[in-house]
Amino acid sequence: VQLVESGGGLVKPGGSLRLSCAASGFTFTNAWMNWVRQAPGKGLEWVGLVKSKADGGTTDYAAPVKGRFTISRDDSKNTLVLQMNSLKTEDTAVYYCTTGNLWGDQGTLVTVSS
Amino acid sequence: QAVVTQEPSLTVSPGGTVTLTCGSSTGAVTSGHYPCWLQQKPGQAPRTLIYDTSKKHSWTPARFSGSLLGGRAALNLSGAQPEDEADYYCLLSYSGARVFGGGTMLTVL
Repeated sequence: VQLVESGGGLVKPGGSLRLSCAASGFTFTNAWMNWVRQAPGKGLEWVGLVKSKADGGTTDYAAPVKGRFTISRDDSKNTLVLQMNSLKTEDTAVYYCTTGNLWGDQGTLVTVSS
Repeated sequence: QAVVTQEPSLTVSPGGTVTLTCGSSTGAVTSGHYPCWLQQKPGQAPRTLIYDTSKKHSWTPARFSGSLLGGRAALNLSGAQPEDEADYYCLLSYSGARVFGGGTMLTVL
């Protein structure tokens, strides 16, 4: 059972970045998938989720990212995606994907800085 | 958005017992908030110890248990070990949204 995040990096304020999470070892199709982030030295912050297609496939987002971030899933590839637009310095964090019970081992670091 | 509150820090003696709690600004925490408890050690990703108030994963040490206590979610650690020193986060569900507590830094000393 594994979740592996990728796609992080350094981006300027106002820029965009696309994160991916590759899932294996469980039935991805049935899972509600979340993104969670952790700013340096800070606590965990829920970013958003996408429900399983069977449960409607709808998304919900935390207020700070609503309208800027989009979560999607490709069940054929067992992949979760986080498209981040209009990035702000306060979006700097390690981003984890999680089912709620299963977590990525390392996350991916996003740094927003000029 | 709801605010979830936790004790900022707690200390427990080795072999001792401690209870961490989690409250909601919207009122009493209930099973309908599907409380989860996560443990995070320095430099590591979080891992979920307790979900749906009191359910354990295969990797959850038996000394951890979850419950509802006085309108709050609670994580009880009985027989603390040095390796239990970590940050603990509560996660509550509010319809579509999820909200983390600020975390409790647990020291085993």
